[in-house]
This record gives sequence, C-alpha cells and structure tokens, in this order.
Amino acid sequence: LAKTTQPISMDSYEGQEVNITCSHNNIATNDYITWYQQFPSQGPRFIIQGYKTKVTNEVASLFIPADRKSSTLSLPRVSLSDTAVYYCLVGEGYQKVTFGTGTKLQVIP
Amino acid sequence: GAGVSQTPSNKVTEKGKYVELRCDPISGHTALYWYRQSLGQGPEFLIYFQGTGAADDSGLPNDRFFAVRPEGSVSTLKIQRTERGDSAVYLCASSEGKLLTQYFGPGTRLTVL
Repeated sequence: LAKTTQPISMDSYEGQEVNITCSHNNIATNDYITWYQQFPSQGPRFIIQGYKTKVTNEVASLFIPADRKSSTLSLPRVSLSDTAVYYCLVGEGYQKVTFGTGTKLQVIP
Repeated sequence: GAGVSQTPSNKVTEKGKYVELRCDPISGHTALYWYRQSLGQGPEFLIYFQGTGAADDSGLPNDRFFAVRPEGSVSTLKIQRTERGDSAVYLCASSEGKLLTQYFGPGTRLTVL
C-alpha cells in the first residue's frame, strides 16, 4: 500500500478556498486517490476520488499532477461546517486500507 | 436508501467480559470492513470481508478478536475477555465496487471499565 503524508492541521477563515495536499510518492499504477471527511462522533464520509488530472464534484475538486506523486483537495469557500478531519487514501480497493491521522481543518469565523 | 447501521451505538462493559458488535451494510454491498478508532487517531483497519469470507484479517490485534459474516450481509465483531485497551469506537463500512469508496456507519463506542 502506498504511504501517504499530509499536514496534521490547517486553519482557514470562512469564505476562503482551502487546499490540502497529500504526498504519495510510492503510488502504484492501478491505485486511485480517495479523500474522506470525518466529523466528530461520525464515521468518515467519502468526498472525492480520482486517478489523474482534475476531478470536480459538488463538494470539492481534486487536482492530481502528471506524476501522481501528490494530490490536492480543494474546498471552495469553506464554512464553519467544513471543520473536520480530512483523510487521503491511496489504493486499488478491495484491500486493507490505512487511514493515517489525517488533516484537521479548523474553519474560523 | 438505508445506509450502514451499527448496533449498539454505545456499549459499556467490564474487563474480562465478552461483547458482540453488529454491522448491517448497505444492501447489495459485497465488501464489508471493520475498523477501530481511538481518540485523535485515524481509523485502524481490523478485517475485511468479500462475501462471506474474511479476505484480510491481518489487522485483528490478537485472538481475542473475531468477526463473522455468515450470509454475506450482516457482520458481527466479537471480542472475548475484553481489556481496558479495547475501549474505542468500532466502525463498519461497506463497499460495492473495487475502488476505495466505502460507506461508513456511525460506529459503536465501546468502553471497557
């Protein structure tokens, strides 16, 4: 499994765009990049997934450079309700999954 | 539609007791995962099932932990001779595809006194 590295914490003001970068230097050819969001006292929630270039959905965008050794989750105009822990995962699925400690995002009013 | 459900939501037990935690996955999902999460940590993989069989149980910490999924749907995580160190939130997730898209339940908070 490819190991991932992401910042432990980030602060942002409401209304700003937040970018969280994840490093995964040992990503394999068949691996996808998946991001989850977790609020206190809840299970993680799938946000977005991608293989290369850019993926966008109603919640976030995911930018993946050509070498795929990193990825950036972009949250547009964050609100207080976006305060959560964000996890970056790399893998092919149907396998043991390692979450790591994630990035704790604190949105400040 | 219904999501993943877990029962009980909270379980308090005494050291040395036996506990069972139940997970009802999303209907039709063939893969089911169990995780354990301690405060301030990410979910820690325990075991995953593909259908009725345990495809990878390498995350189970010791032989006090066991999980079953006899009909390929509901799963039960069983912990024998509980220890205070077993206190954590136990999360279950299910998946229908081969990518890392898992749907999590709300978890069971286990407290061992």
